[in-house]
Amino acid sequence: NAGVTQTPKFRVLKTGQSMTLLCAQDMNHEYMYWYRQDPGMGLRLIHYSVGEGTTAKGEVPDGYNVSRLKKQNFLLGLESAAPSQTSVYFCASSTPSRMGADTQYFGPGTRLTVL
Amino acid sequence: GNSVTQMEGPVTLSEEAFLTINCTYTATGYPSLFWYVQYPGEGLQLLLKATKADDKGSNKGFEATYRKETTSFHLEKGSVQVSDSAVYFCALSFLWDSGAGSYQLTFGKGTKLSVIP
Repeated sequence: NAGVTQTPKFRVLKTGQSMTLLCAQDMNHEYMYWYRQDPGMGLRLIHYSVGEGTTAKGEVPDGYNVSRLKKQNFLLGLESAAPSQTSVYFCASSTPSRMGADTQYFGPGTRLTVL
Repeated sequence: GNSVTQMEGPVTLSEEAFLTINCTYTATGYPSLFWYVQYPGEGLQLLLKATKADDKGSNKGFEATYRKETTSFHLEKGSVQVSDSAVYFCALSFLWDSGAGSYQLTFGKGTKLSVIP
């Protein structure tokens, strides 16, 4: 049982390049999330999905796209990377519970640098 | 709006010292409250949670009580260990999309704890 895994662990891009971050979970969770973590700012939600084939915007969605073609995978895309997207990206998953009390399970993160 | 404020770090303690990390929140309604911990180089993991007023969450010697009257959820541990060195995040869950009934977490900025032998 690997939990939540993320690929790649590190990546350096040049401004304007594109890339896709992959998240996979083996816990059969319905919900999946993408966050970014910046120094002194906690985590901020980029996009999320409440089930296969669905996606929705979070707090900071601009510049990112997502897809959830399979229940276990959640992809985060950057079409044209900008230095402001330099961050650590975390994927998480959960099973919805009453009144939002579900525990989110996080991956180990992807450190992205945009030059 | 919904927000979480937690004490700024870093916090440095000697082993076996008492730990308190303050967390207060602003929210509409009655959110669930969480403490997540991030060990160096890892993702976040749930430490404890409470879903209603006066609930006490506890795990690994850490405790936090949901105080509605003071809108607080302070984290405490009686005797910290070197292995507790990490970043601690307070978070609340709020209704993001009423149509879909989906909730989201909003996090505090994190408090870095260093425990020295």
